[in-house]
Amino acid sequence: DTGVSQDPRHKITKRGQNVTFRCDPISEHNRLYWYRQTLGQGPEFLTYFQNEAQLEKSRLLSDRFSAERPKGSFSTLEIQRTEQGDSAMYLCASSWTGDNEQFFGPGTRLTVL
Amino acid sequence: DQQVKQNSPSLSVQEGRISILNCDYTNSMFDYFLWYKKYPAEGPTFLISISSIKDKNEDGRFTVFLNKSAKHLSLHIVPSQPGDSAVYFCAASADFNKFYFGSGTKLNVKP
Repeated sequence: DTGVSQDPRHKITKRGQNVTFRCDPISEHNRLYWYRQTLGQGPEFLTYFQNEAQLEKSRLLSDRFSAERPKGSFSTLEIQRTEQGDSAMYLCASSWTGDNEQFFGPGTRLTVL
Repeated sequence: DQQVKQNSPSLSVQEGRISILNCDYTNSMFDYFLWYKKYPAEGPTFLISISSIKDKNEDGRFTVFLNKSAKHLSLHIVPSQPGDSAVYFCAASADFNKFYFGSGTKLNVKP
């Protein structure tokens, strides 16, 4: 299967801990997006990469959040000092520049206790 | 401030009838609109899109209508099938870089 994959699918952590999520996009896609989705809401844009360059970050992305895409392939999203308000589904999507259809992964569900 | 709104959290229709899902937006700079479908435990999957230069786009049973003056778009599914039961999100973009999503409408198609 060559779709977008995310790991882990579920993460339970205690408040104050750091967590890291991984996203593997479709291999030929040069754009990678991170979204956050809370219950009853649609995906909210967090940040996106074109190749290895992070081109835009949402104001929602506090200093505790950092994302990387070091070689323009997979990406990681790290949340430091997690808070209960960080509990959400974190979605990754990829696309090719000029093609507006984004392919989403299954998401990582984060629960902060 | 939510720039894309789906005011109906849920919709129930009978199999074979038409499903109409609505979406409103506030940003007049949006010029590209998409609909995604989401099943439980899966990420959203692309369904259909429309550019602001058009007012209608059709793909099989799915048609999206865009009314720019009203800042409104709708998704029509005809005929509805039980397998269409899912959450539907509309999304909009002004620059093809950043996409704004609505809160979704849960469609239930009854056999």
